[in-house]
Amino acid sequence: GQNIDQPTEMTATEGAIVQINCTYQTSGFNGLFWYQQHAGEAPTFLSYNVLDGLEEKGRFSSFLSRSKGYSYLLLKELQMKDSASYLCAVRGYYGQNFVFGPGTRLSVLP
Amino acid sequence: EAQVTQNPRYLITVTGKKLTVTCSQNMNHEYMSWYRQDPGLGLRQIYYSMNVEVTDKGDVPEGYKVSRKEKRNFPLILESPSPNQTSLYFCASSLMSLGSGSDGYTFGSGTRLTVV
Repeated sequence: GQNIDQPTEMTATEGAIVQINCTYQTSGFNGLFWYQQHAGEAPTFLSYNVLDGLEEKGRFSSFLSRSKGYSYLLLKELQMKDSASYLCAVRGYYGQNFVFGPGTRLSVLP
Repeated sequence: EAQVTQNPRYLITVTGKKLTVTCSQNMNHEYMSWYRQDPGLGLRQIYYSMNVEVTDKGDVPEGYKVSRKEKRNFPLILESPSPNQTSLYFCASSLMSLGSGSDGYTFGSGTRLTVV
């Protein structure tokens, strides 16, 4: 079967650093994606990992450990506009079948 | 501009009245998919299509139909909508090949459907 877990909600303070974890068990693996979704809007692509290690893109970094079925998204220098849901998604080996996690709702407080 | 266009953005309808939500992409993507999103349940795949005339069921296909007669269009059809299909719907597209690397989904803006 396929299962992806994320914390439901997190709260952090403006200017701080927050780490959102994602654990997964899937029948095939061809990449892990992080998406940001503001309420009522479409998800937008944040980051992608297919090999173990850390990928950095500005204030956002994403880490992957395939042997542990684990990823995290690190957000630095938090801003109020970072308040959103963050979705972890695993792409299967065949085609482009994505499995999404339930999402983590992040609230950034002043 | 590369995009996925969904229409309508908002729709209120009555139980049993057939409706179609349109989805069109201009990126020549082979793969298209429909998702519904409900509070606490995340994004769940309804149907997907790997190319023209090739469609398959996702995790929650009951009560929905799709067609893929052209590469750019992938409409979602609700033949007899019921209140439990009230949800936020997203169409998404992507390249198909396994070697497409960081090419993930491009999502449409969403359709908020209410069935009364």
